[in-house]
Amino acid sequence: NAGVMQNPRHLVRRRGQEARLRCSPMKGHSHVYWYRQLPEEGLKFMVYLQKENIIDESGMPKERFSAEFPKEGPSILRIQQVVRGDSAAYFCASSPPSGGPADTQYFGPGTRLTVL
Amino acid sequence: AQSVTQLDSQVPVFEEAPVELRCNYSSSVSVYLFWYVQYPNQGLQLLLKYLSGSTLVKGINGFEAEFNKSQTSFHLRKPSVHISDTAEYFCAVTPQGAQKLVFGQGTRLTINP
Repeated sequence: NAGVMQNPRHLVRRRGQEARLRCSPMKGHSHVYWYRQLPEEGLKFMVYLQKENIIDESGMPKERFSAEFPKEGPSILRIQQVVRGDSAAYFCASSPPSGGPADTQYFGPGTRLTVL
Repeated sequence: AQSVTQLDSQVPVFEEAPVELRCNYSSSVSVYLFWYVQYPNQGLQLLLKYLSGSTLVKGINGFEAEFNKSQTSFHLRKPSVHISDTAEYFCAVTPQGAQKLVFGQGTRLTINP
């Protein structure tokens, strides 16, 4: 059973460009979470999605950031007009359909975004 | 709101020595507690979790943690560490009724031969 897949693993963008980060959950998982890890910091929750629904986006910056998890295909975290402060590692996690807070979240290897 | 404090940002120990990584949390509601490990340039892997029941929880790779409700702590321990335990360790909580993990700042464990 393949784990959580994220691509690309490394992404370099210039200020003002758009970044698209993709996450394919583990097979059979229907819950996806995005977290951001700034240098020398712990992970911070950004958004929680189920298929075609955003359940909790309390950690998403109000501007430039958006996320989706369509019926078919991977979850996408989109950052428009990137700035240097967006440079970070972005991790995706998934959990099974039971959807309880006690469920283990399985993490992908992350996408390391560098903004020049 | 919840918060997690990992009291040590770095912990150096010698191989085969015991280690304790400290974690305290703050929450107005009941929480579930987790420890994750992050090896260099990799994602996070679950070491163990406490949901209910016995306060001593055993995890993978010989790690264990003890939940202390009165002290709101969830310290991670291993009796004898190995070079391969070198990694960053994160304590996290999930409030019951919510889905998101709230992480501490992490503790970098370095094992010296």
